[in-house]
Amino acid sequence: GNSVTQMEGPVTLSEEAFLTINCTYTATGYPSLFWYVQYPGEGLQLLLKATKADDKGSNKGFEATYRKETTSFHLEKGSVQVSDSAVYFCASSNAGGTSYGKLTFGQGTILTVHP
Amino acid sequence: DAGVIQSPRHEVTEMGQEVTLRCKPISGHNSLFWYRQTMMRGLELLIYFNNNVPIDDSGMPEDRFSAKMPNASFSTLKIQPSEPRDSAVYFCASSATGISRGGELFFGEGSRLTVL
Repeated sequence: GNSVTQMEGPVTLSEEAFLTINCTYTATGYPSLFWYVQYPGEGLQLLLKATKADDKGSNKGFEATYRKETTSFHLEKGSVQVSDSAVYFCASSNAGGTSYGKLTFGQGTILTVHP
Repeated sequence: DAGVIQSPRHEVTEMGQEVTLRCKPISGHNSLFWYRQTMMRGLELLIYFNNNVPIDDSGMPEDRFSAKMPNASFSTLKIQPSEPRDSAVYFCASSATGISRGGELFFGEGSRLTVL
């Protein structure tokens, strides 16, 4: 089955630092890939997604590129803010066949940004 | 538009009591998922439904847990009897995707359960 492996956290950065959170996946076929963000006390919400190889998802200054050759979908942001402090989850869909919308999530990476 | 609505937001109960968590998915969505989140185990998929039919309940921890979806706009997750190790945040999520490669999941704000 599918699996998603994320960079271990927690990650602590100063404001305006560059952020990378690594994510790799295993899947048969070509899944869609997602980054979700969870702010304290809230549910997960979609941050960005990419549905095919070489697609770049972007939102709120965050970017991730679907790399089929390295089976990766690393999350990046050039200049983080305190308000970006949250838990970030990488996820993949079940590729091919009947998926019913099920996603496989990574373990989550806690990001803390200090002023 | 209303998102996924869960109730209660917080529940504190004593060991042995029955707990019922409720979820109203987004109107028109045909897949519904129940997740559990803890510090130790992270985010776990418990069960999911498509068109009100349970598709995979292999994540349900044990027979004390049960879930139903009597219609397209309502689902329940029941724990009977509850135990302290069931303490967690339980999320419901829904999706408009049927037979496809997968799409966005919309999550509720969660139900925080504490079993004393």
